[in-house]
Amino acid sequence: DVKVTQSSRYLVKRTGEKVFLECVQDMDHENMFWYRQDPGLGLRLIYFSYDVKMKEKGDIPEGYSVSREKKERFSLILESASTNQTSMYLCASRTEMQPQHFGDGTRLSIL
Amino acid sequence: QKEVEQNSGPLSVPEGAIASLNCTYSDRGSQSFFWYRQYSGKSPELIMSIYSNGDKEDGRFTAQLNKASQYVSLLIRDSQPSDSATYLCAAFGGTSYGKLTFGQGTILTVHP
Repeated sequence: DVKVTQSSRYLVKRTGEKVFLECVQDMDHENMFWYRQDPGLGLRLIYFSYDVKMKEKGDIPEGYSVSREKKERFSLILESASTNQTSMYLCASRTEMQPQHFGDGTRLSIL
Repeated sequence: QKEVEQNSGPLSVPEGAIASLNCTYSDRGSQSFFWYRQYSGKSPELIMSIYSNGDKEDGRFTAQLNKASQYVSLLIRDSQPSDSATYLCAAFGGTSYGKLTFGQGTILTVHP
């Protein structure tokens, strides 16, 4: 079974802090993704990566950056957290032509 | 225009009935289609994938794909209260190279 592990289920941070969300997958998948999900807005893609050190902007990259130094790990960085970044963050991974699998999610609150 | 559109909900069915969830997509190059179930406060869980025209059955779930009509559906037979969740349709391929395109989701409630 595919295992996508997000480092925290719940996280509370303060406005202006630099926030790191970590995601690790154990299936040697090339593709990894970060989404946020808000009520009424569905899943929105922030960034994705199709290889180590490669990244592509998704639909809402503003205020975020990512890092993929190793194939199994994809990090989402909030450079200076703001209250409108309070959300559920979901990491996912996939290999070509196969279904995508999600981590358990991180519910992030910015106070 | 949304690239993947799902029938507006919420959908409410009695226990034991068939729940029908529908999805249309605009990109004719889409090749693979997936249905995810998401319980409140949880992450999406893959329940069905379909790649070719026709029906695919897995237990109480049947996915149907019609590429000519650009239409995907999910039927849940003998619906149970535990099936109450949001169902997400997703398409892969075509111009959305490398990433899935998700619909907004349909909320299903199965009442006893």
